[in-house]
Amino acid sequence: DTGVSQNPRHKITKRGQNVTFRCDPISEHNRLYWYRQTLGQGPEFLTYFQNEAQLEKSRLLSDRFSAERPKGSFSTLEIQRTEQGDSAMYLCASSLGLSYSPLHFGNGTRLTVT
Amino acid sequence: AQKITQTQPGMFVQEKEAVTLDCTYDTSDPSYGLFWYKQPSSGEMIFLIYQGSYDQQNATEGRYSLNFQKARKSANLVISASQLGDSAMYFCAMRESGNEKLTFGTGTRLTIIP
Repeated sequence: DTGVSQNPRHKITKRGQNVTFRCDPISEHNRLYWYRQTLGQGPEFLTYFQNEAQLEKSRLLSDRFSAERPKGSFSTLEIQRTEQGDSAMYLCASSLGLSYSPLHFGNGTRLTVT
Repeated sequence: AQKITQTQPGMFVQEKEAVTLDCTYDTSDPSYGLFWYKQPSSGEMIFLIYQGSYDQQNATEGRYSLNFQKARKSANLVISASQLGDSAMYFCAMRESGNEKLTFGTGTRLTIIP
């Protein structure tokens, strides 16, 4: 069990640029989640996958955001035309999908939009 | 309305003392789960303990225990014999049945004083 891995750890980009983050979940976990955390707040749900199917998206996930999990393993989160308000920590988590299963989080990707 | 309320933004506790972190929640669903996470300055969310709404006993995991008072809708985390390494942000979270989302509170920053 190597844990959830996220890359990159930090990303600084200029407003208007596109960015893509990657998440590698724990291998036996079929559920994968993306959360966003801003300073002083708890994580906020963005979206989740069961295997390769994206089953729910938050209203926080604007049209500029897209997430994929093409083979049911790793996932990518892309933000197009970044805005300063997108600056946050983006957290990925995975779980076994049982009601009592905790989410196991990665170290996150900190995005700064200048 | 806030689903998870953590009223203590910050706490300072002497090393080796016990500490209680408060969490109240709001749900009309009879089936739900409550989770506590620790987030050190490194950013990773670390799962600590889980309590199911139908569990008859309070959950315990090592030095962590959960004081679950269902009628009051509270799920306070108790850390016994605090250590310097316990200094971190602590988040309470809830998952309602049929809902994949974990909803987090705003967290409590715990500082252990040597």
